[in-house]
Amino acid sequence: AQSVSQHNHHVILSEAASLELGCNYSYGGTVNLFWYVQYPGQHLQLLLKYFSGDPLVKGIKGFEAEFIKSKFSFNLRKPSVQWSDTAEYFCAVKANNAGNMLTFGGGTRLMVKP
Amino acid sequence: EAGVAQSPRYKIIEKRQSVAFWCNPISGHATLYWYQQILGQGPKLLIQFQNNGVVDDSQLPKDRFSAERLKGVDSTLKIQPAKLEDSAVYLCASSFLARGEVPEAFFGQGTRLTVV
Repeated sequence: AQSVSQHNHHVILSEAASLELGCNYSYGGTVNLFWYVQYPGQHLQLLLKYFSGDPLVKGIKGFEAEFIKSKFSFNLRKPSVQWSDTAEYFCAVKANNAGNMLTFGGGTRLMVKP
Repeated sequence: EAGVAQSPRYKIIEKRQSVAFWCNPISGHATLYWYQQILGQGPKLLIQFQNNGVVDDSQLPKDRFSAERLKGVDSTLKIQPAKLEDSAVYLCASSFLARGEVPEAFFGQGTRLTVV
């Protein structure tokens, strides 16, 4: 069964700092990859997803993620964070031979100091 | 477009009691998921439906949890009897069936269950 690891549980940054959140998955086959965000008091929302093609994926609000197949990684990046990016971020993987099962990592809680 | 609707938003019950949660997915979405999110953890898939059939329920504790989606639209998740460790947010999500492009899952606000 696939699994997803997010090694940073809590990240604290100042505004304008650069962000990189790690995500690694364990599955050797074809995968689809997602980053979801949960702002305080709100439901999970999709930030971006990788299906195929260009491994560098751009999402909403200036976020991007790079799929590195050899490293089984899909790290999330943003060059300059804002206070409004304070939220919890979840990486998720869908293995193509496992139906539509969407497996989530444990999440990274980001706090951006103004 | 209306989102995924869940009710109730909050529920407090005593251990050994029963509880049920309801979910109405986005219209036209064939796939419906129930997730359990314990505080400080990522969502864990409990059960996945495609229309009214179960695709995966391997992580559903079947001795106490049950779920149904009889008409392939809305769904209920039941816990009977509840244990203290069932305290969590129960999330419902839905997605449409697509060929090619990967459909995203849309999430509801969740039901926060506290078992005391």
